[in-house]
Parts: sequence; C-alpha cells; structure tokens
Amino acid sequence: DIVMTQSPDSLAVSLGERATINCKSSQSVLYSTNYKNYLAWYQQKPGQPPKLLIYWASSRESGVPDRFSGSGSGTDFTLTISSLQAGDVAVYYCQQYYSTPFTFGQGTKLEIK
Amino acid sequence: QVQLVESGGGVVQPGRSLRLSCAASGFTFSSCGMHWVRQAPGKGLEWVAVVSYDGSNIYYADSVKGRFTISRDNSKNTLYLQMNSLRAEDTAVYYCAKSPSYYSGFDLWGQGTLVTVSS
Repeated sequence: DIVMTQSPDSLAVSLGERATINCKSSQSVLYSTNYKNYLAWYQQKPGQPPKLLIYWASSRESGVPDRFSGSGSGTDFTLTISSLQAGDVAVYYCQQYYSTPFTFGQGTKLEIK
Repeated sequence: QVQLVESGGGVVQPGRSLRLSCAASGFTFSSCGMHWVRQAPGKGLEWVAVVSYDGSNIYYADSVKGRFTISRDNSKNTLYLQMNSLRAEDTAVYYCAKSPSYYSGFDLWGQGTLVTVSS
C-alpha cells in the first residue's frame, strides 16, 4: 500500500498570508505512460463532506478559487493557498489514486493566527 | 441537481449487518467509478471500496475485505454497501463519492450517513 504523509499536522496562518501544506507518498504516483501524477487534494470544513480542490497534482477543480494551487511530482507534493481567507479554515487531505487502496494522508488542520 | 444521497445508517450491535445505499442524480451514473469512504468520529478519511462503472472491477481496503460488499445498480442509479460482521471500529460516517473514471479524483461526495456499532 502507498502511505501518504502530510506535514505539518496543523498550521496557523494570518489572514492574507500564504499557507503551504506538504504531502509525501511512500512510492511514486507518477504514471510514466501519461506523465500524470495521480494525486488529489481535498478540503473538509466542519460538519461537511470533503470537497475536491486539485487533481492530477496541479489541476484546479472547476469553481475553486485560483488562490489554491498544487505542485510537485513523483513523491513530493505541495498545496499552496496564496492569500488565506477566513473561509479557508478547514482540514486538508491529500490522496493518491495511482493504485488501490486509494490512500489519504492524515490531514492538516489549517487555522487563522 | 447533481448530488449523491446516502441512507441506511443507524445503530447496530456488533456482529450484525447493515446495508447502506447511495442514490445518484444529475449525472450519468453508469459512466462513473463509485467509492465508499468513511470517517471515524474526530478522525481522518479512510477509503473503503471502489466499483468500476460497470461493476466489473471491485477492490476493498484490507480492514473490510471479506465483511463488506460494494455493488451498484445502474438501472436505479444507486450504489450499495453491504456491511456484515460489524465491529465497534466500523463506527464512522460513511460517504459515497464518484470519480469520472476508476483512477481519478473524487469530484462529488454525498453528505454521509452515520453508522454506530455498539451493544
């Protein structure tokens, strides 16, 4: 199984500042045939289901603000929120869908400083 | 309206069974991979199972293999999770989610249904 490890576990950032969350997979999730990274990022607010933000490591889902961006390849990935808004307070998860079981990271709790 | 609506959760004793349903609407259900993902109280997300668009490919997490069965009825636009031999550690909110294909991000989630396994 591919193990997904996020860092940090929690993060406090001031409004308008940049937030960065890291995700590392225990093996590469880059598929050599199509050069795609099988990596997604989700946002989960309290009492709500997760919401897809980023897929293929860097493609933004429709309707997601452009302050959210994803980067990385192979085994190391980053979710960046360029200018934190109050509504971005949530837990963020990375997930690999390269191979079953489709594992999630443990989550990173993002708060306002 | 594009949505997934889970039902069937509740309180059940250890060792008993429960069947969850997920009703899909507003999209072509028969073209999508479908998943169950669970979240224990206060914990992170745990992927449970996947079924391909036509039901031909199915995979389970080791934690539920041999006890849970995922299935779908494309004529009814409905996904199911049959849960047998339930344990206390199966207590969680169960979400159904769709992906455009077997290997892709989960772009639509239901609101979840709570399963509590307790005597």
